[in-house]
Amino acid sequence: DAGITQSPRHKVTETGTPVTLRCHQTENHRYMYWYRQDPGHGLRLIHYSYGVKDTDKGEVSDGYSVSRSKTEDFLLTLESATSSQTSVYFCAIRDTGPHNSPLHFGNGTRLTVT
Amino acid sequence: GENVEQHPSTLSVQEGDSAVIKCTYSDSASNYFPWYKQELGKRPQLIIDIRSNVGEKKDQRIAVTLNKTAKHFSLHITETQPEDSAVYFCAASVGTALIFGKGTTLSVSS
Repeated sequence: DAGITQSPRHKVTETGTPVTLRCHQTENHRYMYWYRQDPGHGLRLIHYSYGVKDTDKGEVSDGYSVSRSKTEDFLLTLESATSSQTSVYFCAIRDTGPHNSPLHFGNGTRLTVT
Repeated sequence: GENVEQHPSTLSVQEGDSAVIKCTYSDSASNYFPWYKQELGKRPQLIIDIRSNVGEKKDQRIAVTLNKTAKHFSLHITETQPEDSAVYFCAASVGTALIFGKGTTLSVSS
């Protein structure tokens, strides 16, 4: 196990409500990532972080914000959830160094927006 | 931005046959290409990776080849077994992130 914990594991919420997903790592890695996984689309990058308070947008960042106030936690927030954000969300950390090293994924959060 | 195309989307083979999955990428700056396996309801897990200074890498029944000139890389699984049934994703590096293909569902029947 790569020392990544995602919470909650499952969540059902209503359209228009705010939702925050948490990713916690025990590895002290600098780089952390949020992906969403949908049938037919594979894994798509939402946002990533390269250090405390340092974040950048990915492929599908609209409707999402992130925060990283300490190394071990990376939060993903849906300010006003929509049905199109129903998905499985994976957090990942990068192994040693920023480049040429694999990502290790958490167990995912299944979010349903009704 | 980087675009990673993966083919085929589904692949069915008989146990013992070989399976090949192919990916192409668009960003010539990409220099790291991992492959992930995802079983139903589980997280993606790294099975093999290759860096741009290497043309081929092998790990038991799994091998990956890379053609940087043509911007494509492939996963080869030999002597397939039922436990190889899963979704396989290729990815290419873009700066500090990875961009993934849409996945290939491999089914191995005994």
